Amino acid sequence: NAGVTQTPKFQVLKTGQSMTLQCAQDMNHNSMYWYRQDPGMGLRLIYYSASEGTTDKGEVPNGYNVSRLNKREFSLRLESAAPSQTSVYFCASSADLAGGKETQYFGPGTRLLVL
Amino acid sequence: AQSVTQLDSHVSVSEGTPVLLRCNYSSSYSPSLFWYVQHPNKGLQLLLKYTSAATLVKGINGFEAEFKKSETSFHLTKPSAHMSDAAEYFCVVRGGYNKLIFGAGTRLAVHP
Repeated sequence: NAGVTQTPKFQVLKTGQSMTLQCAQDMNHNSMYWYRQDPGMGLRLIYYSASEGTTDKGEVPNGYNVSRLNKREFSLRLESAAPSQTSVYFCASSADLAGGKETQYFGPGTRLLVL
Repeated sequence: AQSVTQLDSHVSVSEGTPVLLRCNYSSSYSPSLFWYVQHPNKGLQLLLKYTSAATLVKGINGFEAEFKKSETSFHLTKPSAHMSDAAEYFCVVRGGYNKLIFGAGTRLAVHP
C-alpha cells in the first residue's frame, strides 16, 4: 500500500494563476482532509470531506475549493493564487470521523511558492 | 473549544540525555491527544495517541507521554535522545468531526 500520495511535490506559480493539488489514498478511508503548514503555526485545516460526496470548510478555507472525486481522491484547487498561499500543503485521511478510528495518515506534502 | 499550547518552540539536548517536550491542552470534554513527528522535508508520522484508556501512553522509537488531567498536560518524553530524533514535534488535540488542532510545534535539536 502506498498510503496517501500527493502530486505535485513542488510547484511555483505566479500571482493569479490557478492550479489543482491532487491527493489519493489506498486505505479505503472514508474521511479526507487538506491542511496547510506555515512556520510557527503548526498545521491548519483548510477543508475536509467526511465521506464521498460531502465537503466542509475548515479553519482557513478562503481562496480554496475542493472536490471529493470519489472515495480515493480529494483535490484542492487554487483559482487565483496569491503570495499568502505560499505554504506546504498536506493531505490526510482517516477511516472515519468518529468511533475511535480517528488516526489520520498524512501524505508527503506539496510545497507551493506563489510569486 | 479545543486547543493545545506547546510551551517551547525549540529544545536542544545532548545525545544520550532525556528529552522533555511540553504540551498543555484545553478541551471542554475528555480529549483525544496525539503527538506527531515531522523530519526535515518529510510528512507527518504518528508517534502516539491518547484516547481515554491508560494515562501513560507508549509510542514508537522509545517515546512516551503521560496524560495528566489535573494539570491539563500531555508532555512527551524519551529517556535517552538519539541523533535521529532531531525533528519537529507537534502536539495535537482532536476537535469536532475528527478535525485535528495542531500546536505550533517544537523543534528538537540533538547534539553529539
